[in-house]
Amino acid sequence: AQTVTQSQPEMSVQEAETVTLSCTYDTSESNYYLFWYKQPPSRQMILVIRQEAYKQQNATENRFSVNFQKAAKSFSLKISDSQLGDTAMYFCAFMKGFGNEKLTFGTGTRLTIIP
Amino acid sequence: DTEVTQTPKHLVMGMTNKKSLKCEQHMGHRAMYWYKQKAKKPPELMFVYSYEKLSINESVPSRFSPECPNSSLLNLHLHALQPEDSALYLCASSRGDRGDEKLFFGSGTQLSVL
Repeated sequence: AQTVTQSQPEMSVQEAETVTLSCTYDTSESNYYLFWYKQPPSRQMILVIRQEAYKQQNATENRFSVNFQKAAKSFSLKISDSQLGDTAMYFCAFMKGFGNEKLTFGTGTRLTIIP
Repeated sequence: DTEVTQTPKHLVMGMTNKKSLKCEQHMGHRAMYWYKQKAKKPPELMFVYSYEKLSINESVPSRFSPECPNSSLLNLHLHALQPEDSALYLCASSRGDRGDEKLFFGSGTQLSVL
């Protein structure tokens, strides 16, 4: 079974600063995907970024980037130039295989951006 | 249209009631999912439908009955629920092609069982 661990229950940062959220995972699978989802107060889960395990290059999406360390089974999310709209719960998630599979979530990190 | 629409947004039901949650998407996705999320917890998978067939059931109690009438619609039928079933129920969809695994989520139905 796969496990996803987020060791930071809460974080806060000043607007415009950079923040890094940590995630580690455990799996024996060779093919898998990793994701960061955000859940704002509206409670809709929104995909922030994804990473294919077979790709060495770290994924980036505008102000969001990841540091994927496959050997260490680490997948951190960096948010640059943080904005008030980034305030949300952030979940790291794992999916084995090639799709249509179970998405396993970590326990989440509540991020607050301070004006 | 990149939306997954869930109705109703809120539902209050008694333990003897029968109700249904509805989820709809018009993105041509062929995989649809039900997740349950308790307060301050991550979502937990309940069911996966792939090409309108149930492909994953995470040992969910039979008082939850999923149905996929067509590729755009997913229902969750509820009967004889318990107060501990109160939660946010999230629907999601994905293209269903191997190698395309992005899930798009709806805003959820907040269920309260009295």
